[in-house]
Amino acid sequence: DAGVTQTPRHEVAEKGQTIILKCEPVSGHNDLFWYRQTKIQGLELLSYFRSKSLMEDGGAFKDRFKAEMLNSSFSTLKIQPTEPKDSAVYLCASSSRGAGQLYFGEGSKLTVL
Amino acid sequence: SQLAEENSWALSVHEGESVTVNCSYKTSITALQWYRQKSGKGPAQLILIRSNEREKRNGRLRATLDTSSQSSSLSITATRCEDTAVYFCATDEGSGGSNYKLTFGKGTLLTVTP
Repeated sequence: DAGVTQTPRHEVAEKGQTIILKCEPVSGHNDLFWYRQTKIQGLELLSYFRSKSLMEDGGAFKDRFKAEMLNSSFSTLKIQPTEPKDSAVYLCASSSRGAGQLYFGEGSKLTVL
Repeated sequence: SQLAEENSWALSVHEGESVTVNCSYKTSITALQWYRQKSGKGPAQLILIRSNEREKRNGRLRATLDTSSQSSSLSITATRCEDTAVYFCATDEGSGGSNYKLTFGKGTLLTVTP
């Protein structure tokens, strides 16, 4: 079975640009999560979808971060406009409802200059 | 504030030795999970231990859970260089029902040297 696929693996953006990160969850999984990972803050939840419905949108990340789940097999995370402090690894994960275990993609490393 | 956190920032052992990573958490939980993240990869689950369990094993890995002290440990025996990774504990804030999500600690970097 294919795992979680994230693209692009690396992205370099100028301050103020719009970037879109993509995620394909494990087939059949109901839950999808977007996390941001930095050395200082660790893993921070950005968004959480259950059966394509947005359950949590990460509070402090609301203003410039927007996650969407267009269908059960594809999700995007848009950051607009980007700022240097957004430089981080963005991880997508999926799970089956109630199963507990998250399956993570390899992440998209974003560098904002 | 961090709900779950590992107690050490970094640990270093020689191959073949045993090592234990500790974790403490602040809320009541239904389960605690241990994940491992190797360089350039996403985290991968190692063990899930439920609140009514005291110990769980997976090969060379052993996790314990003490709900009275709100702590957990992950022990690795006969360590190998490929065990070098960041180890996270994660707790569930929800009931597994309508608002399930995990909160991760910041991780412990384990380095295993030959």
